Amino acid sequence: QVQLQQSGPGLVKPSQTLSLTCAISGDSVSRDYAAWNWIRQSPSRGLEWLGRAYYISKWNNEYAESLKGRLTINPDTSKNQFSLQLNSVTPEDTGLYYCARGSSWPRGWYFDLWGRGTLVTVSS
Amino acid sequence: QSVLTQPPSVSGAPGQRVIISCTGSSSNIGADYDVHWFQQLPGTAPKLLIYGNINRPSGVPDRFSGSKSGTSASLAITGLQAEDEADYYCQSYDNSLSGYLFGTGTQVTVL
Repeated sequence: QVQLQQSGPGLVKPSQTLSLTCAISGDSVSRDYAAWNWIRQSPSRGLEWLGRAYYISKWNNEYAESLKGRLTINPDTSKNQFSLQLNSVTPEDTGLYYCARGSSWPRGWYFDLWGRGTLVTVSS
Repeated sequence: QSVLTQPPSVSGAPGQRVIISCTGSSSNIGADYDVHWFQQLPGTAPKLLIYGNINRPSGVPDRFSGSKSGTSASLAITGLQAEDEADYYCQSYDNSLSGYLFGTGTQVTVL
């Protein structure tokens, strides 16, 4: 059974870096045509796709325009997991963060497996 | 501005049929990108309900069906059941954002 297990702190101070990890069981972070995503949810912004890492011939990253420059998503093949690092956080980054697997589809990928979510609060 | 608009809420009696709309634009649904649907029960992560406009993953009841036309898509729930009370979201790709977009969400209430 494929599962995504999230870990990371629930409280981060403003201006610091938010770091989360998503461990994969039952699948491989290096599998072709699987993408490893971070998505967050908040009352003010709803569900918001943040970015992804995926391997097709080489490692690729894509990030939401609003977060480019602050967000890094890295795969860790030795531990079969991937991570999120969001720099210079503000209270607007408060939310429920999900990792999710993306599956390739001819006209747009879809998210077929989700972690349970990590509630992150940005506060001093 | 790229957005997928859904009605905030829909309701129906048990056994009835409800339809949730998802209205996009020429940079997402209208650009021939497919629409996917998710169900989010209270306190849980979203669960894939429909992918590629009309396809149900294994285990999803055939009471749930999807369709797409032009710049919009719809999710229909027939034979509404109490367990269908949840939030529902559509999702697609947007080429002006170069990223993935979720709908505003619809809360389904079973009367």
